[in-house]
Amino acid sequence: DQQVKQNSPSLSVQEGRISILNCDYTNSMFDYFLWYKKYPAEGPTFLISISSIKDKNEDGRFTVFLNKSAKHLSLHIVPSQPGDSAVYFCAASGNFGNEKLTFGTGTRLTIIP
Amino acid sequence: ETGVTQSPTHLIKTRGQQVTLRCSSQSGHNTVSWYQQALGQGPQFIFQYYREEENGRGNFPPRFSGLQFPNYSSELNVNALELDDSALYLCASSPDGSNTEAFFGQGTRLTVV
Repeated sequence: DQQVKQNSPSLSVQEGRISILNCDYTNSMFDYFLWYKKYPAEGPTFLISISSIKDKNEDGRFTVFLNKSAKHLSLHIVPSQPGDSAVYFCAASGNFGNEKLTFGTGTRLTIIP
Repeated sequence: ETGVTQSPTHLIKTRGQQVTLRCSSQSGHNTVSWYQQALGQGPQFIFQYYREEENGRGNFPPRFSGLQFPNYSSELNVNALELDDSALYLCASSPDGSNTEAFFGQGTRLTVV
């Protein structure tokens, strides 16, 4: 049972444009969400997180939006840069981050110069 | 650089053998979580150690076991290796049993033949 779903295995975006990566979850006990970026042969790198008490969190070029009623979150990257090409994982946790992380299957983002 | 280091980086074992993977946590972090990432999948939670005690376990059989040392470094042991155990094994360190600031190591690529 996949509790965290990233339905787009891949996404290509032109450099300078906005990249939008989506994530859906089914477990209503999840209340803390994180995005990680992963390059080949490296471990996941933390990007940004959001607690369910918020609906938006911003950090530089990265913004995460949370729609609790739809059990949906998205990561916006503006403007997209070639170094953003990587696999992006959405992860969810309960008890405000004190439970284990449940990951999606990832979306491979390719930025086209 | 996160300060979380894993060894070895690559390993080839024969079915039925035993393996030990190692992880040193980031300075100031007393919690280590282990994840298995199969090809094309997101990381799956194996277990977490907090202050040398197991603090949660995922859906993995007992032949997956772990240990955390007084310096908060950790080992993952897998007995009776199966072909399906071939995966990238990731460890993440975080403070105080939480996952809100989980930093990952680069992983150990295990191949079982």
